[in-house]
Amino acid sequence: NAGVTQTPKFRVLKTGQSMTLLCAQDMNHEYMYWYRQDPGMGLRLIHYSVGEGTTAKGEVPDGYNVSRLKKQNFLLGLESAAPSQTSVYFCASSYSRRGHNNEQFFGPGTRLTVL
Amino acid sequence: DQQVKQNSPSLSVQEGRISILNCDYTNSMFDYFLWYKKYPAEGPTFLISISSIKDKNEDGRFTVFLNKSAKHLSLHIVPSQPGDSAVYFCAASAGYSSASKIIFGSGTRLSIRP
Repeated sequence: NAGVTQTPKFRVLKTGQSMTLLCAQDMNHEYMYWYRQDPGMGLRLIHYSVGEGTTAKGEVPDGYNVSRLKKQNFLLGLESAAPSQTSVYFCASSYSRRGHNNEQFFGPGTRLTVL
Repeated sequence: DQQVKQNSPSLSVQEGRISILNCDYTNSMFDYFLWYKKYPAEGPTFLISISSIKDKNEDGRFTVFLNKSAKHLSLHIVPSQPGDSAVYFCAASAGYSSASKIIFGSGTRLSIRP
């Protein structure tokens, strides 16, 4: 049981390049989330998904796209990377609603630098 | 406009003493509160939570207190141990109408000194 895994762990991009971050969970969770963590700002929700084939915008969605083609995977895409997207990205998953204390399970993070 | 605020970026406590981490929120619709703990190079892990119908929840050395009238919650760790050194995030969520979106505070770095 690997929990939540993220690929890659580190990445350096040049401005304008594109990339996809992959998140996978093996806990059969319905909900999945992408956050970014910046110094002094905690974790901010980018996009989330309440089930396979559905996605929704979070607090800071601009410049990102997501897809949830399979229940266990949630992809975060940057079409044209900007230096402001330099951050640590965390994926998380959870059971639906409040049956399990709203607890979200986080992956280890992806450190992205955009030059 | 931060809805969940942790005004102390860092806290240093002697091993064996009590650690008290504070959190304030502004949104009166929040009805569920959580604390997460994060070690360097790892993702946050859930620590303890409390529903707004309670004012206290205890789990071993960890106790969370909620003061709804003051829109304030705190995490008490007794006794503090070296392994408690980490960043602690306060978080809050509201309602049943959407996914369990959680709003996080900016975190408090707790250091336990020998």
